[in-house]
Amino acid sequence: LAKTTQPISMDSYEGQEVNITCSHNNIATNDYITWYQQFPSQGPRFIIQGYKTKVTNEVASLFIPADRKSSTLSLPRVSLSDTAVYYCLVGDIPQAGTALIFGKGTTLSVSS
Amino acid sequence: GAVVSQHPSRVICKSGTSVKIECRSLDFQATTMFWYRQFPKQSLMLMATSNEGSKATYEQGVEKDKFLINHASLTLSTLTVTSAHPEDSSFYICSAPTQQVFGEKLFFGSGTQLSVL
Repeated sequence: LAKTTQPISMDSYEGQEVNITCSHNNIATNDYITWYQQFPSQGPRFIIQGYKTKVTNEVASLFIPADRKSSTLSLPRVSLSDTAVYYCLVGDIPQAGTALIFGKGTTLSVSS
Repeated sequence: GAVVSQHPSRVICKSGTSVKIECRSLDFQATTMFWYRQFPKQSLMLMATSNEGSKATYEQGVEKDKFLINHASLTLSTLTVTSAHPEDSSFYICSAPTQQVFGEKLFFGSGTQLSVL
């Protein structure tokens, strides 16, 4: 399974755009890139998933360059409630039946 | 969307007792479920893969006799922490993959906070 590297922490202010980049140099052809958000004492919550290029949903955008060795989660206009840990995961699920392995994640702190 | 229900959300027990945690897929069938453990301010660590109708696969360093996993049906997996000790106190989270083609494919339970006194 591809190993991921993210910044340990990031700080931002309300209303700003936050970009969190994740490196996954050993990503395999069948691997997807998925980002999860986790609040204390809660299970991870799905944010967005992509395979290549750009994916956008109602909460975030995911940018994936052509070589797929990295990806960037973009959170537009963050609020205090976006303070959480963000995990970038790479893996081939569910077809392979293998679990996603979590890295250390990025702790995002949003201030007013 | 698909939902994974995990119970209890919080349990406090005495050292030496056993605790069972349930993980249910509410609107889809899950032949596989994953169990994670998370210590404070740390990431999720995969403990084991639960397989319906067969033995679970444990990650290296996880004691299979201590963490009993049963996946008796396509919608229920249980994790039993046997003879719990204070060092077993942790946040346990289950997850289940779906066969959805697009979007979210892996759903997580809300977690169980285990405190062993």
